[in-house]
Amino acid sequence: GAVVSQHPSWVICKSGTSVKIECRSLDFQATTMFWYRQFPKQSLMLMATSNEGSKATYEQGVEKDKFLINHASLTLSTLTVTSAHPEDSSFYICSARDTAGWQETQYFGPGTRLLVL
Amino acid sequence: SQQGEEDPQALSIQEGENATMNCSYKTSINNLQWYRQNSGRGLVHLILIRSNEREKHSGRLRVTLDTSKKSSSLLITASRAADTASYFCATGLASGGSYIPTFGRGTSLIVHP
Repeated sequence: GAVVSQHPSWVICKSGTSVKIECRSLDFQATTMFWYRQFPKQSLMLMATSNEGSKATYEQGVEKDKFLINHASLTLSTLTVTSAHPEDSSFYICSARDTAGWQETQYFGPGTRLLVL
Repeated sequence: SQQGEEDPQALSIQEGENATMNCSYKTSINNLQWYRQNSGRGLVHLILIRSNEREKHSGRLRVTLDTSKKSSSLLITASRAADTASYFCATGLASGGSYIPTFGRGTSLIVHP
């Protein structure tokens, strides 16, 4: 099946620094990628929809200046958590939809665990 | 906002037993999907059932969909310890060519060997 990778898999950073997370579709092209956030024992909360070549669409309550998303190519989307604070500590998961396949099926990355000290 | 809600939140069974999880949703859907998540990992797509389907099988998985009750169930037969994971249902409505699934809180399944 289709594979989505994320890098890094985990990151620890100091408060105030910025962290970039990459999401790549390895064997398919994805015009649309999604970024989710998940707290322990909670569901996935959609943060934003990343569209290749255009601005991301953010969900209500998600600060676009805080969580910068760039989808520069059909296989790469990045999420940058700017000026990270301890409350940003979470599990971030991306997913991608294969443009050539069933539109409904999304393929998820393994997630990135962020810990802000 | 979340639409799918799984029930129960937690389920603990012995290996070999069947595990049944339910999902309820609120609005009309085009399809419903079940995903599995091992602790601290990404999600794995298990099965998709369309709104015009009532039942679907995949290996030891059986999914039912009742659109009149806005509910779905996931049955795992002859469970194994390796089935221990969280299971999420995701409902989706395609609009204008875009589709975004909305996840419930999940059911945490523990299968004891």
